[in-house]
Amino acid sequence: QVQLQESGPGLVKPSETLSLTCTVSGASISSDYWNWVRQPAGKRLQWIGRIYASGNTNYNPSLNSRVTMSLDTSKNQFSLNLSSVTAADTAVYYCARARWAIDGTYYFDYWGQGTLVTVSS
Amino acid sequence: DIQMTQSPSSLSASVGDRVTITCRASQNIYTYLNWYQQKPGKAPKVLIYGASSLQSGVPSRFSGSGSGTDFTLTISSLHPEDFATYYCQQSYSNPIYTFGQGTKVEIK
Repeated sequence: QVQLQESGPGLVKPSETLSLTCTVSGASISSDYWNWVRQPAGKRLQWIGRIYASGNTNYNPSLNSRVTMSLDTSKNQFSLNLSSVTAADTAVYYCARARWAIDGTYYFDYWGQGTLVTVSS
Repeated sequence: DIQMTQSPSSLSASVGDRVTITCRASQNIYTYLNWYQQKPGKAPKVLIYGASSLQSGVPSRFSGSGSGTDFTLTISSLHPEDFATYYCQQSYSNPIYTFGQGTKVEIK
């Protein structure tokens, strides 16, 4: 069974870099698309970006200049860095695997449990 | 970005009720529409992808329909474990994926 688990600091100071890691078990990150999604308290989900097994990335344009994602195939992990954070970046951060259905639909089929990151001094 | 708007934002229903949730896209997204269920403190779980395809393991009381800009998630007979928040998500605008604001289904 595919499982994902986020890890990283729960508190980050304003202007610093938020760094999270997602450890995957039951699947290899050498295939499929690996994503980060966040959810501020009481708000809708926001897609942050994805990284493919090849290392190619796509980011949400609203965050593009601040986001970096990477893969560590030796550890079966992928990571998120979000720079210059503000209070608006406080949210629960989820890592998720995505699949392409035969009809071309892209959907998130496995998610981590989520980790709350608070931006505060 | 494609804006996704759900209605209603919340609803109260009883066990056994038929429940319908609507999602509207700001432009034509064909059938690139997915539905998720989220319970408090938990990650979302995919129910429907491609507007009407039931994800493996999801009960058949859940169904999805629609195309273009208007979509519907239907729960044919509400079970106690179905009280949750439901989100739609479009994947037409690749790779900028957006979600609806959610519909909370509460116990009447």
